[in-house]
Amino acid sequence: AQRVTQPEKLLSVFKGAPVELKCNYSYSGSPELFWYVQYSRQRLQLLLRHISRESIKGFTADLNKGETSFHLKKPFAQEEDSAMYYCALLTGGGNKLTFGTGTQLKVEL
Amino acid sequence: DTGVSQDPRHKITKRGQNVTFRCDPISEHNRLYWYRQTLGQGPEFLTYFQNEAQLEKSRLLSDRFSAERPKGSFSTLEIQRTEQGDSAMYLCASTHKGGANVLTFGAGSRLTVL
Repeated sequence: AQRVTQPEKLLSVFKGAPVELKCNYSYSGSPELFWYVQYSRQRLQLLLRHISRESIKGFTADLNKGETSFHLKKPFAQEEDSAMYYCALLTGGGNKLTFGTGTQLKVEL
Repeated sequence: DTGVSQDPRHKITKRGQNVTFRCDPISEHNRLYWYRQTLGQGPEFLTYFQNEAQLEKSRLLSDRFSAERPKGSFSTLEIQRTEQGDSAMYLCASTHKGGANVLTFGAGSRLTVL
């Protein structure tokens, strides 16, 4: 079955602390994974995708096929990082995204 | 182009009534998706179109739900005989075929069924 698991509903960290949002997936094919973010009162938007191997707003995510994980990391959390983060897996023959349940990141001062 | 537009933003209806949502995608995007999101959950795939063709519909989707994209531009999602369980945020997204599968989402249409 194709599934994305985000085990934490809420992650609270202090400003300047490292952040790791966990994402595990279940997929029989070659996975293509994404992180989407929703800031307060804003639309869901792409943060990054593993194919690009890029760092966006200081966030990075590495695909680990052995552990079937795609954790999102940032070395130093900022207040503006507070948002809802969704991990997503491309499924359906590459035609649709399957989302996890999301993790609310709260960065405290 | 102001991105993906959805209308109405909020709809309150009584159980048993029909509702229709509209989505205007980014003009050059040929793929259009509908997702549903309930509290505490991620977006759940409902259906998608490539141009005017509806290529996939979720098996979880009731027959009361129907979507159209008649000219390959805007799309409508109709829910007939609404039930309280239909209360959710309905999200529309669009992308290019071959557009690296990056979806651009609308603001959503929130449905409340009383």
